[in-house]
Amino acid sequence: QQPVQSPQAVILREGEDAVINCSSSKALYSVHWYRQKHGEAPVFLMILLKGGEQKGHEKISASFNEKKQQSSLYLTASQLSYSGTYFCGTETGGYQKVTFGIGTKLQVIP
Amino acid sequence: NAGVTQTPKFRVLKTGQSMTLLCAQDMNHEYMYWYRQDPGMGLRLIHYSVGEGTTAKGEVPDGYNVSRLKKQNFLLGLESAAPSQTSVYFCASSHGGNQPQHFGDGTRLSIL
Repeated sequence: QQPVQSPQAVILREGEDAVINCSSSKALYSVHWYRQKHGEAPVFLMILLKGGEQKGHEKISASFNEKKQQSSLYLTASQLSYSGTYFCGTETGGYQKVTFGIGTKLQVIP
Repeated sequence: NAGVTQTPKFRVLKTGQSMTLLCAQDMNHEYMYWYRQDPGMGLRLIHYSVGEGTTAKGEVPDGYNVSRLKKQNFLLGLESAAPSQTSVYFCASSHGGNQPQHFGDGTRLSIL
């Protein structure tokens, strides 16, 4: 079952912050985050594992709340290069496959 | 570093025709995946493989078949193409299910 992402779209000005949420109806073993620019392949950002700590990648970080079956991606001081569609992917057991949400389209404007 | 290579990049088919999409990876990854991406639907898993000689169904397997005869290659076949299979197809590979997936550049397939 696909995880639910919110918001579906967001427009930011350079320097503003954003939060993208990902929630699942099933218990989560791991959450993956990817970014896809228009016409390109998705690119890996980070993985959060059950029992793991919050991860960070430059000014992009994420948290994983196992009890709430949710993950959030935090983008701080956004840059034009952050524009794209962000996908969360959830793994609910077996460590074999990931189910992706429909994505959050983020646009950063000057 | 080639990474994950998909061929062809573009293809137009007529309804009922068959074709095979090829995915090749040079990272010695065990796991390989085929996704389709449609507007507003995100990435949906068609089939996947956790090792040479193994395959398993994903979320949307109907109308597709796959084979993993060699570790580095994962083939996706459409036996009788239908307009509903018009999509962008991505192949990905990883060391394991909880490891980062590396995606190919995609194949744009149109079925008339």
